[in-house]
Amino acid sequence: EVQLVESGGGLVQPGGSLRLSCAASGFTFSSYEMNWVRQAPGKGLEWVSYISSSGSTIYYADSVKGRFTISRDNAKNSLYLQMNSLRAEDTAVYYCARVVERYSYGVDYWGQGTLVTVSS
Amino acid sequence: NFMLTQPHSVSESPGKTVTISCTGSSGSIASNYVQWYQQRPGSAPTTVIYEDNQRPSGVPDRFSGSIDSSSNSASLTISGLKTEDEADYYCQSYDSSILFGGGTKLTVL
Repeated sequence: EVQLVESGGGLVQPGGSLRLSCAASGFTFSSYEMNWVRQAPGKGLEWVSYISSSGSTIYYADSVKGRFTISRDNAKNSLYLQMNSLRAEDTAVYYCARVVERYSYGVDYWGQGTLVTVSS
Repeated sequence: NFMLTQPHSVSESPGKTVTISCTGSSGSIASNYVQWYQQRPGSAPTTVIYEDNQRPSGVPDRFSGSIDSSSNSASLTISGLKTEDEADYYCQSYDSSILFGGGTKLTVL
């Protein structure tokens, strides 16, 4: 059974940093591309970042470029999102998701999400 | 910038069929695959359609996806509506960036 479990969320002050993790199991993690997607309270879904299976190709949404860093450790079956210079507008539930096709980077499995709150 | 536009809300009765549209603002929506995600209240999203019309295992065949190039839109059709289908539905595709539609709230009453 495919499982994606996020962790690392919490309350952080504006300008602070946080590192999210996503533990993958039930599939060959090293063979799959991954996305981070977020959802602000009461709002829709917003794509955040993409990483290829090897980690050699990475994309970011303009809203997080220069502040967030996606990475992965295939030996540990884990995906990460390092978030720096956090802003109030980064407050959201963050989901990791497995990419199922590489033409529009659609996903087939989602984690349960981890809540990040940026507030003083 | 390319955008995906969905109706804010739709409603239909149990047992009926409903179609949710996702219209591309420019270009050709058929150029890249469209996915559809279901999000029930308080839960994480799940995938109901990927690659325009493919269902993940476990998704009932009451869910189907299609592309209409003439209207530059994708559609999610749910037949034999059940109360458990009540949820927010999001389309997703790609055009220089990974994009989501704004979401459609489906009410089954």
